[in-house]
Amino acid sequence: GESVGLHLPTLSVQEGDNSIINCAYSNSASDYFIWYKQESGKGPQFIIDIRSNMDKRQGQRVTVLLNKTVKHLSLQIAATQPGDSAVYFCAVRNQAGTALIFGKGTTLSVSS
Amino acid sequence: SQTIHQWPATLVQPVGSPLSLECTVEGTSNPNLYWYRQAAGRGLQLLFYSIGIDQISSEVPQNLSASRPQDRQFILSSKKLLLSDSGFYLCAWSDIQGYGNTIYFGEGSWLTVV
Repeated sequence: GESVGLHLPTLSVQEGDNSIINCAYSNSASDYFIWYKQESGKGPQFIIDIRSNMDKRQGQRVTVLLNKTVKHLSLQIAATQPGDSAVYFCAVRNQAGTALIFGKGTTLSVSS
Repeated sequence: SQTIHQWPATLVQPVGSPLSLECTVEGTSNPNLYWYRQAAGRGLQLLFYSIGIDQISSEVPQNLSASRPQDRQFILSSKKLLLSDSGFYLCAWSDIQGYGNTIYFGEGSWLTVV
């Protein structure tokens, strides 16, 4: 079946550094990808998405890169701030197009 | 704007007791609705999704069930809870017309089965 995996379960960075969170997916036909941020005790919040016809998409301080050749997705956060500390999930739309499949999440810790 | 509400926010239930978690969405019509479960330190597991009233698809066999009696109401139930049902339950919705199926989550319900 389809699956989504993270490269690192935890990531620790210093305030002001850039953060990169990586994700791999299994289905080469996947066409839609999303990154979510989840703060403790809350539901995940949408950060940024990208379709398979794009390689890169930028938001405010965040960039998502998609490498379809190796089925790899990454989230880059520029000038990481303490408020960015959270669990980050990548998600891929399932083959049926009806739901999202989530990875296990990377916990980002930002120290001052 | 669209909003999603789910309740209760937390509950502690004994093994073998029933469960009912309720979710409603406002500000949209005919949304896709979802129930996800998140065990401690793990990712989100899709339990059920619904594309319309009384149209429920189950992704994982279990002792839970879902119902959608109204367009914007989604209910997660169990007749007899197991210890393994403990976790963080998230209701979510997406715009059926949207290409990307971006899913928007509620604030979640913490269930502890004791």
